[in-house]
Amino acid sequence: AAGVIQSPRHLIKEKRETATLKCYPIPRHDTVYWYQQGPGQDPQFLISFYEKMQSDKGSIPDRFSAQQFSDYHSELNMSSLELGDSALYFCASSAGALDTQYFGPGTRLTVL
Amino acid sequence: AQKITQTQPGMFVQEKEAVTLDCTYDTSDPSYGLFWYKQPSSGEMIFLIYQGSYDQQNATEGRYSLNFQKARKSANLVISASQLGDSAMYFCAMREDFINAGGTSYGKLTFGQGTILTVHP
Repeated sequence: AAGVIQSPRHLIKEKRETATLKCYPIPRHDTVYWYQQGPGQDPQFLISFYEKMQSDKGSIPDRFSAQQFSDYHSELNMSSLELGDSALYFCASSAGALDTQYFGPGTRLTVL
Repeated sequence: AQKITQTQPGMFVQEKEAVTLDCTYDTSDPSYGLFWYKQPSSGEMIFLIYQGSYDQQNATEGRYSLNFQKARKSANLVISASQLGDSAMYFCAMREDFINAGGTSYGKLTFGQGTILTVHP
């Protein structure tokens, strides 16, 4: 069965640089979520989209923005990167907000 | 206030034995979902089992079962016949099914702190 695809899997950036993370949901899933998991921590909700519209927003810094495109893939844009942004970033998708969320393999971002 | 609490930072179990991972939650929402995810050392987040707040029976998925005690607000994961490959971090998560005026539920997950399970041969 098709799973959530995230790219890149690993990303190394310098402070103050920008990064773009991509997420391709499971086919026919219309809802996408982004989570951030710091080292040794539980995942924290950042933002979600339903049918290409932002549906909810969590503890996402103003330096971050995201969108969902017409083909339902989503991108998380991160600017002015800080050391504290180093984390595992997950995208999850579901067939509506009340369906089970299936996670992608994550993008491990390291900010030097 | 912590919405999901996992009080066991680490658990050990002998191969082929059963183990219970604890999870308690706090919500005033009458409709919610409870999930367990497994995170191996490789990092991916694997869905294991789901329990809806209105489900009358405890959920089961193969060797996984969820001991749902609604009055106690607990949703413990039971793994039967543990295998070496079960060694991983396990997260309990809750989705509060808030429906806004537009009929859309937000759906975000709130996670517990996780429990590291180690299976000994």
